[in-house]
Amino acid sequence: GDSVTQMEGPVTLSEEACLTINCTYTATGYPSLFWYVQYPGEGLQLLLKATKADDKGSNKGFEATYRKETTSFHLEKGSVQVSDSAVYFCALRENSGGYQKVTFGIGTKLQVIP
Amino acid sequence: GAGVSQSPSNKVTEKGKDVELRCDPISGHTALYWYRQSLGQGLEFLIYFQGNSAPDKSGLPSDRFSAERTGGSVSTLTIQRTQQEDSAVYLCASSPQFGAPQETQYFGPGTRLLVL
Repeated sequence: GDSVTQMEGPVTLSEEACLTINCTYTATGYPSLFWYVQYPGEGLQLLLKATKADDKGSNKGFEATYRKETTSFHLEKGSVQVSDSAVYFCALRENSGGYQKVTFGIGTKLQVIP
Repeated sequence: GAGVSQSPSNKVTEKGKDVELRCDPISGHTALYWYRQSLGQGLEFLIYFQGNSAPDKSGLPSDRFSAERTGGSVSTLTIQRTQQEDSAVYLCASSPQFGAPQETQYFGPGTRLLVL
C-alpha cells in the first residue's frame, strides 16, 4: 500500500538557519504530493503541493520538488523564522479504485529559536 | 466563506459512554474525510465519504466506530462504549471535487476528545 516516511522531530534550528525536512513515499501509481503545516493551536493547512514529476511547489519561502526517481518530496527553506515553528506533514494523494486516497506522514515538529 | 467547522471543540467523557462528533464541510464540497491525531503520532485515516456514501471504511479502528453523512453535507462520527485509547484529536477535512488528485483538503479545527 501507499506510505509516506518523514524524518521524526523535533528539529531545532536557530533563526535564519537553513531547513530541510526529508520525505519519501511509496505508491503504486502517480500520486500528487503535499506538505501541510499545523501551527500551534491551529488546524492543518496546505503549505504547498506538486502534482507531477519535476514539479516544484513553493509558498512562504518553502519549496519542495517532486522527484520521481528518488520518490522524494523534501521540504526546504533557506532562512527560517521563529514564526515557522510548527508541525509539518508530508502527504500523498493517489487515485485508488476510482477515488482519492490520502496518506499522511507522522509529522515533523520544527522549533526555531531566536 | 466559512471553512470546515467541527463541534464540539472539546469533549470529556467517561469510559463506556457514547460520543458523537460533528463535521460541517465547506458548502459544495463533495468529499469528506475523518482522521485521528493521537499524541505523538501522525494523522490516522479513519473514513472517507464521497457524497453520502463511504467507499473506504478501512481506517475505522473497531466496530465501535461508525460514521454517516446525510444530504451530502454534515457528517457525524460516533464512538460507542468509549475507551481511554480513543482519546485523541479528531479532524475532519473536505475537498471540492471528486476525481481530482491535485485537490486540496481543507481541515477543520478538530475535536479534542478525552476519555477518563
